Formats: sequence, C-alpha cells, structure tokens
Amino acid sequence: GQQVMQIPQYQHVQEGEDFTTYCNSSTTLSNIQWYKQRPGGHPVFLIQLVKSGEVKKQKRLTFQFGEAKKNSSLHITATQTTDVGTYFCAGPNSGGGADGLTFGKGTHLIIQP
Amino acid sequence: KAGVTQTPRYLIKTRGQQVTLSCSPISGHRSVSWYQQTPGQGLQFLFEYFSETQRNKGNFPGRFSGRQFSNSRSEMNVSTLELGDSALYLCASSFMSGNTEAFFGQGTRLTVV
Repeated sequence: GQQVMQIPQYQHVQEGEDFTTYCNSSTTLSNIQWYKQRPGGHPVFLIQLVKSGEVKKQKRLTFQFGEAKKNSSLHITATQTTDVGTYFCAGPNSGGGADGLTFGKGTHLIIQP
Repeated sequence: KAGVTQTPRYLIKTRGQQVTLSCSPISGHRSVSWYQQTPGQGLQFLFEYFSETQRNKGNFPGRFSGRQFSNSRSEMNVSTLELGDSALYLCASSFMSGNTEAFFGQGTRLTVV
C-alpha cells in the first residue's frame, strides 16, 4: 500500500538554528499537507501544497512540493521555543476515493535554549 | 465556530471489553475520519465516513468498526479489546476528505489493562 516516509525522526537544534524535515511518498500525490502536533496536543493543519514544484512561505516556515509530486520538505528558519512539536506530512490515501490521509511518522523537533 | 468534539477524553478498559468513542464534527463538514496514534506506529488511518457511508478503510482488523449518523456525528467501536489497542484515537472532520484540510479533535486516550 501507499507509504509516506519522513526523516529525520528526531531533530535537536539550538534555539535560533534552522530546521528541515523531509517527506517522501511511494506514490504520486494530488496534494500534500503538513500538520504540527504540540506535546500533549492534537495535529493542527499548517498548509496544503497542490502544484508540482510549489513553494509556500508562512513567516519563518517554507514548504516545498517536489516536481514529481512525490516529495516535500518543511524548513524553519531561526527556530524558536514555540516551534517545539512533531511535524507530520500527509497525503491523500491512494485508491479510487482518496478518502482520508496517510501520514508520515513525523519529525520531533526538540529545541535547546 | 465550534471545533471537533470527541468524547470521552480518557477511557480505561479491560481486555476483552468493547468500547465506543464519539466524534462531533465541525458544523457543515460531512466527512469524518478516524486515526489511531501510537508512539511506535504514528498516525494510522482507520476509516472515513461521508454522508453516513464508509468510503475507505485502513488496514485494521474487523474488531474496529464505525458509523456516521445523519447529523454527521460519528462513532467508532472496538470490540474484544486487546492491550495493543491502547492508543490515542483521533477524529478529524473536513469538507472534502483527503483534498482539504482536516480539523482534528483533542482525541480519546484509551488504555486497555
């Protein structure tokens, strides 16, 4: 079945350093979504990318969707303690309905002040 | 507008028992998806409902079932509980599952002893 892989699993950074997480799908995706889950919380939607090669920015966060629509990345510039959490990428389930999402296992971002 | 509401928030059950979890989606959303989150497996898709019909199902045994009512509220049921069913169960509502952002509830933390 469809697989979405994410690396790294854990990332320790000093506050102020940059952070990047990478996502790869075994199948071509119609779109890719990114979510953030704070410790003890629930996933919260960050962004959706739809077009091949698309790049979107949200303040210090930059999201990219690969040309083949099978990979994506999230880059955070100058991390802050509020960025702590787990970042997930997700693509629509493969199959006729594409209903529901297949999530990567997430990258846990740990920030040391 | 009100978010996704899941009840109960916490549940402790004994092996062999059954459990029913409830999810009220955001008003106007007809798609409800369920996910199981564990430290080892991450977020795994259980099933998705739209207008009272199950449109997609993840790779879980038949002990996991669900339904959706005419008001879009959804329930999931797990019968003959096993220790491995201990997890955070998350419900997500969306306008069009897989292609629009998913709004997650706070989840139900199920512990099987």
